Amino acid sequence: GAGVSQSPSNKVTEKGKDVELRCDPISGHTALYWYRQSLGQGLEFLIYFQGNSAPDKSGLPSDRFSAERTGGSVSTLTIQRTQQEDSAVYLCASSLMSGGAGNEQFFGPGTRLTVL
Amino acid sequence: KNQVEQSPQSLIILEGKNCTLQCNYTVSPFSNLRWYKQDTGRGPVSLTIMTFSENTKSNGRYTATLDADTKQSSLHITASQLSDSASYICVVSGRSSASKIIFGSGTRLSIRP
Repeated sequence: GAGVSQSPSNKVTEKGKDVELRCDPISGHTALYWYRQSLGQGLEFLIYFQGNSAPDKSGLPSDRFSAERTGGSVSTLTIQRTQQEDSAVYLCASSLMSGGAGNEQFFGPGTRLTVL
Repeated sequence: KNQVEQSPQSLIILEGKNCTLQCNYTVSPFSNLRWYKQDTGRGPVSLTIMTFSENTKSNGRYTATLDADTKQSSLHITASQLSDSASYICVVSGRSSASKIIFGSGTRLSIRP
């Protein structure tokens, strides 16, 4: 079966430009997460969607970052007016549910963003 | 504050040797703890899940332990192989609806031939 997919796999952009990163979660998974990982660092939580509930945006570093999840499936992470410090790998994960033993997160391959 | 701390930050061992990675947490009330393996350039993959009532669980050469009283977990790798070189991440979930899933910063393990 298909896992979590992300696109593009690599994105190089100029400082000040907007970028959109896409995540296709595993079908039927109600929870979707976005993380950022700088080189050699741990995962930094960005945002979390659970079903039709309001998303948990507590990890978004600034108002330049936003995310949507349409129809409870595909999610898009948008970074406006990109800065060089936004350069990182952006990982998306989905899980069958958000709590209990069913909360194993399945990660996509990530999008490597480079802001010049 | 809910936290997950891992040690050591990095570790280098020779192929064939054993090693143990540590995870201490303060997440409460506790639901479960997972160990993930993240190969370079890939997303993390779950190795094992520990719930409150479980003390030890094995997955091949990986054995995880949990002491819910002291809020400590360990991941023991037996007879290490070059393919074990990766980051190992401890992730703790709380039981309340307001609890988040907390990621540790990981232990970077390098296996040398």
